[in-house]
Amino acid sequence: KQEVTQIPAALSVPEGENLVLNCSFTDSAIYNLQWFRQDPGKGLTSLLLIQSSQREQTSGRLNASLDKSSGRSTLYIAASQPGDSATYLCAVRSTGNQFYFGTGTSLTVIP
Amino acid sequence: AAGVIQSPRHLIKEKRETATLKCYPIPRHDTVYWYQQGPGQDPQFLISFYEKMQSDKGSIPDRFSAQQFSDYHSELNMSSLELGDSALYFCASSFLAERDRRPIYFGEGSWLTVV
Repeated sequence: KQEVTQIPAALSVPEGENLVLNCSFTDSAIYNLQWFRQDPGKGLTSLLLIQSSQREQTSGRLNASLDKSSGRSTLYIAASQPGDSATYLCAVRSTGNQFYFGTGTSLTVIP
Repeated sequence: AAGVIQSPRHLIKEKRETATLKCYPIPRHDTVYWYQQGPGQDPQFLISFYEKMQSDKGSIPDRFSAQQFSDYHSELNMSSLELGDSALYFCASSFLAERDRRPIYFGEGSWLTVV
């Protein structure tokens, strides 16, 4: 069974800093990896999707990378803002059409 | 663009009661997923449907059942509710084909509180 881990569990940074969130998975046989943002009590908003054949994807201040062979992905957030404060989840789409979620990183950006 | 619609958004039930959650996937999506997220936890996969047939089963209790109807909406039925069933229940939808480039989209979730 696929296991997805995210490090760190929580992160607090001052506004303006660049930061990196990490996601690792145990089975490299994936179709894609998706990063989500979740605000408290809310649904999951898709941020970026990286196909298994891709190395990275960019959207605005966000850049996600994927190293499938080593089972790792990173989400890079540039020039962080207080509005970026949320929980960030990665999910891998594995065989059997299932999505496996990481435990999330709770980000707080301090004004 | 149309998103995944879930109802009700909030539900309060007593122990041993029954609850039904509804999900309307994004039009033309052929796969529906149900997830349960307890407080401070990551979403746990319950069950999925592809073209109205159950395709995968996760950690769904025997007290729960789900189905997908001809119009592709899905319902999650929960019986003999326990306090531990209190959680945020998400529905999500996606395409099965070309799955490497197809994202999964989530609804806003249904809050179930069992008292």
